[in-house]
Amino acid sequence: AQKITQTQPGMFVQEKEAVTLDCTYDTSDQSYGLFWYKQPSSGEMIFLIYQGSYDEQNATEGRYSLNFQKARKSANLVISASQLGDSAMYFCAMREGSHSSASKIIFGSGTRLSIRP
Amino acid sequence: DGGITQSPKYLFRKEGQNVTLSCEQNLNHDAMYWYRQDPGQGLRLIYYSQIVNDFQKGDIAEGYSVSREKKESFPLTVTSAQKNPTAFYLCASSLQGVKSPLHFGNGTRLTVT
Repeated sequence: AQKITQTQPGMFVQEKEAVTLDCTYDTSDQSYGLFWYKQPSSGEMIFLIYQGSYDEQNATEGRYSLNFQKARKSANLVISASQLGDSAMYFCAMREGSHSSASKIIFGSGTRLSIRP
Repeated sequence: DGGITQSPKYLFRKEGQNVTLSCEQNLNHDAMYWYRQDPGQGLRLIYYSQIVNDFQKGDIAEGYSVSREKKESFPLTVTSAQKNPTAFYLCASSLQGVKSPLHFGNGTRLTVT
């Protein structure tokens, strides 16, 4: 069965430092996608980055990168040069399936990141 | 601009009443989803629909019902059978395919007293 685990309920990081948010997953499918979302205190969900199970390179989007280790089933989010505006909840999510279907997406329990000035 | 609209932002109901949460999208997405979020916790899937007139139960469907009569609309009814309905409800949509991220509405905060 699908499962996403985020083991860090909360983290404090100094502004301008890099931070790694952990995510491990469990699936029996060979084809799956991994996503990271940011949820500020306003409640909106913001899509940050995607990694496909067949992608050979780690995904990057601006200051966000995904450290994908398929054998270990981990998909950690790395935020470089953290900013005060990065303070938020961060969720890892996974979708199993093919390119022609829209299966369900499950989420981890989240990590609350707080950036210190 | 395309997007997902959830209304209202805040909703108050008395215990024992059914309540329907609205979700409309103009992104031309086939798939739509409803999630529930409790304070300090992750998102749990209630129902999802891959196409009009079809939907599947998620992990916590008991006490909820949905309909998908139009591609653009996926309303969620919280019934009186739902034991702890007070929560933040998020609607989302996506294209087909494993690469497609969810696009979320801004959520409805439901309080039942």
